[in-house]
Amino acid sequence: DAGITQSPRYKITETGRQVTLMCHQTWSHSYMFWYRQDLGHGLRLIYYSAAADITDKGEVPDGYVVSRSKTENFPLTLESATRSQTSVYFCASSGTYTEAFFGQGTRLTVV
Amino acid sequence: SQKIEQNSEALNIQEGKTATLTCNYTNYSPAYLQWYRQDPGRGPVFLLLIRENEKEKRKERLKVTFDTTLKQSLFHITASQPADSATYLCALGSYSGGGADGLTFGKGTHLIIQP
Repeated sequence: DAGITQSPRYKITETGRQVTLMCHQTWSHSYMFWYRQDLGHGLRLIYYSAAADITDKGEVPDGYVVSRSKTENFPLTLESATRSQTSVYFCASSGTYTEAFFGQGTRLTVV
Repeated sequence: SQKIEQNSEALNIQEGKTATLTCNYTNYSPAYLQWYRQDPGRGPVFLLLIRENEKEKRKERLKVTFDTTLKQSLFHITASQPADSATYLCALGSYSGGGADGLTFGKGTHLIIQP
């Protein structure tokens, strides 16, 4: 089925650990995005990618790393998780200047 | 800095009436504006897109207007139903560097349609 899937849906990790959130899309969209959603802040852009091997920082990139070796995958890595990174993370994909399609989200808790 | 404001208070509307949600922005010149619906525990779902040279867009019971002079968009749901209850997000986008650099979202308005 066409769509965008994130894994895992829920994750609890300890402070200082590395954790990777996965995102996979089947539309062959050029653009992919990672957002985090927190109460009082709404959705904020972490990183985005215009194509394979092209990534750029968004509004809140510190503490995160992304890669895009294949068009369909866009993993987000927290190199050393902190409690402030407890959030709901959404991956999205889109064509050029068109609507974005969001995944179901990953709820990450850092303890 | 760029700022997008949506009604922070929940909006309560009687079933059958028209719900009107507001999105105001400052320090931004968007090329297009989008509205999304988000239900609890789910990702946002796209509803409508309107570009800077368009005044109004419609889709079934939904209508969006875009006034770049007032820096405002209005989102209308006519003949509202309890199933329309959700959080509605306004998002702005721009053309930069020849590519899409992601959307800037407002915090959303929680809409409650009462039977």
